[in-house]
Amino acid sequence: GAVVSQHPSRVICKSGTSVKIECRSLDFQATTMFWYRQFPKQSLMLMATSNEGSKATYEQGVEKDKFLINHASLTLSTLTVTSAHPEDSSFYICSARVRDAHDPYNEQFFGPGTRLTVL
Amino acid sequence: GQNIDQPTEMTATEGAIVQINCTYQTSGFNGLFWYQQHAGEAPTFLSYNVLDGLEEKGRFSSFLSRSKGYSYLLLKELQMKDSASYLCAVREYKLSFGAGTTVTVRA
Repeated sequence: GAVVSQHPSRVICKSGTSVKIECRSLDFQATTMFWYRQFPKQSLMLMATSNEGSKATYEQGVEKDKFLINHASLTLSTLTVTSAHPEDSSFYICSARVRDAHDPYNEQFFGPGTRLTVL
Repeated sequence: GQNIDQPTEMTATEGAIVQINCTYQTSGFNGLFWYQQHAGEAPTFLSYNVLDGLEEKGRFSSFLSRSKGYSYLLLKELQMKDSASYLCAVREYKLSFGAGTTVTVRA
């Protein structure tokens, strides 16, 4: 299957600092990338959807000025958590959808996730 | 919005069968997915249903009834490594997830 990588896998930062998380599709071009957040024992919550070269679409309740998304190419998207606070501590997972008209599932492939801890 | 409900936890014995139910209410429907997620890891794809009926894939099977807004994931011949969280996800134009069912397999 297609491979999606994320970097870093874990990050610890001080309150008030910014953290950037990278998401790459390694062996395919992604039309769309998604960013999810998952708190312990809870489900994945979609934060935003981004298409290459255009502005991200944020879900209701997600602050676009706090969670900056850049989708610079068909293989790279970044999420920057600005002025992070302890309540932003979570597991952030990106997902990429394959650019393949013959893909019946229009499947999303998930990255391994980034564990963010804000002190 | 979407409501996707699945049980919180299930426990079963190695070699047994477990069925995880999922009910959903959505304004639109473009497929239902089941994912497996081990703690601290990303979800991995298990199955996809878009038409009514049963899809079988080795030890895992998934069933869908669109009229009832209902799906189940059937895990057969359970192994210890099957202990994980199983997520039901419904796609309209985007994928929405249930809270997940934690399955614990005991020896």
